[in-house]
Amino acid sequence: QVQLVQSGAEMKKPGASVKVSCKTSEHIFNNNDFNWVRQAPGQGLEWMGWMNPNSGNSDSAQKFRGRVTMTRNTSTTTAYLELSGLSFEDTAVYYCTKASKTTGDGFDIWGQGTMVTISS
Amino acid sequence: YDLTQPPSISVSPGQTARLTCSGSAFPNQYCYWYQQKPGQAPVLVTYKDSERPSGIPERFSGSSSGTMATLTISGVQAEDEADYYCHSAGTSGGWVFGGGTKLTVL
Repeated sequence: QVQLVQSGAEMKKPGASVKVSCKTSEHIFNNNDFNWVRQAPGQGLEWMGWMNPNSGNSDSAQKFRGRVTMTRNTSTTTAYLELSGLSFEDTAVYYCTKASKTTGDGFDIWGQGTMVTISS
Repeated sequence: YDLTQPPSISVSPGQTARLTCSGSAFPNQYCYWYQQKPGQAPVLVTYKDSERPSGIPERFSGSSSGTMATLTISGVQAEDEADYYCHSAGTSGGWVFGGGTKLTVL
């Protein structure tokens, strides 16, 4: 079964912001960092950033700094990715993913993906 | 890309497929491999260079030598046709993925 449940598809205009959610169980939430990965249509995987669910500390890939915000709600065991200043190039499927205790830093838990479409 | 993969490889059923991933971070950093089929989320097939998660068939194996990591699929089956991505620590911090290799089973 899907252990990370993401929010539904979004359509946004250029310049807008989008916020994607990723809900999981308390056990999975508390163990290991959340990572966000995106995939543009027909393209490869692109790592965006990580967030520690306990401290809230986060960091992102250089190309997204200043545009991406990663947060969490510990009460609802939900992580969030917000991306601002959207352009057509941000059209992609956005995945949240985590590593379980057994795989080191290998991402073995994935959400189902959230399609974000940027259209005027 | 910090990690370089050939764009495509083709093999016949029953043959061995060797997918490579070249990166300057190797061998100091581990390599992880993912299989992705159309319309699906990626699936981790090997971790820490050569470990295999539970549920992944034994025909999938990983190795690393020098600046090259390799995913070997022995006795390729039709169901193995997919895109494969390597993943490791980025030279500028964080994580990176290779560009991906499309495996075609002839």
